[in-house]
Amino acid sequence: SYELTQPPSVSVSPGQTARITCSGDALPKQYAYWYQEKPGQAPVLVIYKDSERPSGIPERFSGSSSGTTVTLTISGVQAEDEADYYCQSADSSGTYVVFGGGTKVTVL
Amino acid sequence: EVQLVQSGAEVKKPGESLKISCQGSGYSFATYWIGWVRQMPGKGLEWMGAIYPGDSDTRYSPSFQGQVTISADKSISAAYLQWSSLKASDTAMYYCARLPGVPAADCYFDYWGQGTLVTVSS
Repeated sequence: SYELTQPPSVSVSPGQTARITCSGDALPKQYAYWYQEKPGQAPVLVIYKDSERPSGIPERFSGSSSGTTVTLTISGVQAEDEADYYCQSADSSGTYVVFGGGTKVTVL
Repeated sequence: EVQLVQSGAEVKKPGESLKISCQGSGYSFATYWIGWVRQMPGKGLEWMGAIYPGDSDTRYSPSFQGQVTISADKSISAAYLQWSSLKASDTAMYYCARLPGVPAADCYFDYWGQGTLVTVSS
């Protein structure tokens, strides 16, 4: 079955830049989406179609794509950005939705 | 305002059946897919499947095909997730979410319910 691979954790100091990668063979063909999940809360979409930002999401969140890897970048990280982040996409045939394993972002 | 409101937490015994719900409001419920996502304790998100309330077209993840049933009643803007015989391993948080697209290419979850915690224990 198709998998999306994320690093388990990323640590960053306030004001610095956090980069979270997500790798998958079908990513050149399929869009990627990113969600933020804080403890006790439902996930929130922060990036769609690789690099688009939904309304209400701060500009410090951005997305990019290069080959089989997509990246979520949080510039000028704030304490409130500490959360789990999940990428999501589809398999190469566009049949199944797949989530990455999630990355815990810790703000030092 | 788009809202998805899920039914409350459930505590069940192994072997029991269960049906949880997701009530949509603030948009045309019948014209958007509704998906279900599982999150086991301390684990990540898993796509279970989705339904188009307009015609009840349903798609399942291979991991959940045959394990659960997804249904919807567009007349009351509700979607459902049900089990015929629960197992301890079904203990998890279950989210419903709206999909502004057709699963799975170009689809994502733009609005989420608050989640329903299902605990299965003898």
